[in-house]
Amino acid sequence: AIQMTQSPSSLSASVGDRVTITCRASQDIRNDLGWYQQKPGKAPKLLIYAASRLQSGVPSRFSGSGSATDFTLTISSLQPEDFATYYCLHDYTYPYTFGQGTKLEIK
Amino acid sequence: QVQLVESGGGVVQPGGPLRLSCAASGFNFRDYGMHWVRQAPDKRPEWVAFIRFDGTNKYYADSVKGRFSISKDNSKNILYLQMDSLRTEDTAVYYCATPISVSGLFDSWGQGTLVTVSS
Repeated sequence: AIQMTQSPSSLSASVGDRVTITCRASQDIRNDLGWYQQKPGKAPKLLIYAASRLQSGVPSRFSGSGSATDFTLTISSLQPEDFATYYCLHDYTYPYTFGQGTKLEIK
Repeated sequence: QVQLVESGGGVVQPGGPLRLSCAASGFNFRDYGMHWVRQAPDKRPEWVAFIRFDGTNKYYADSVKGRFSISKDNSKNILYLQMDSLRTEDTAVYYCATPISVSGLFDSWGQGTLVTVSS
């Protein structure tokens, strides 16, 4: 199975900061990657698909980039509601696998 | 609007069976493939299984292959997950999910149902 390695595992930041989370795949997955946001007790919410496409209804401060094995999620200006855990997920082939997550906390 | 409602979770002994259901509404269920995704406490989500819209193809995570079976009843708009030979490591919240939008990824999720495997 393809392994997804996310970094950092946790991150402290302030409102208004720009933050970047990275995800590395153990093999070339083209651009078959999505990013999810999860808040406690809730199902994950899709933010980005196909590595860089913004899901409908998601604020434009979220952006994604990358291809092949290296990907990034950027939040351009953190808002209070953005403090959550973020996961990458590949959908290149079955089994799909998630990264281990990045917990974004308020500094 | 799209609604997915899971049921059937509970406490079960190791080695026992359990069947989860996911009732779908607000979209043409027969036209969509469906996934099960689970999340153990304080762990990353784990994709479990997928079934094509017409039920002709099914895929499973290695951790559940041979023990779990996914199915869908397009006449009743219900997705199922039959879980046999349950292990303590199967303890998790189980979500059904589907790619409703053009994303191709799971963008619609249920609220989840908790399965606890314990003696």
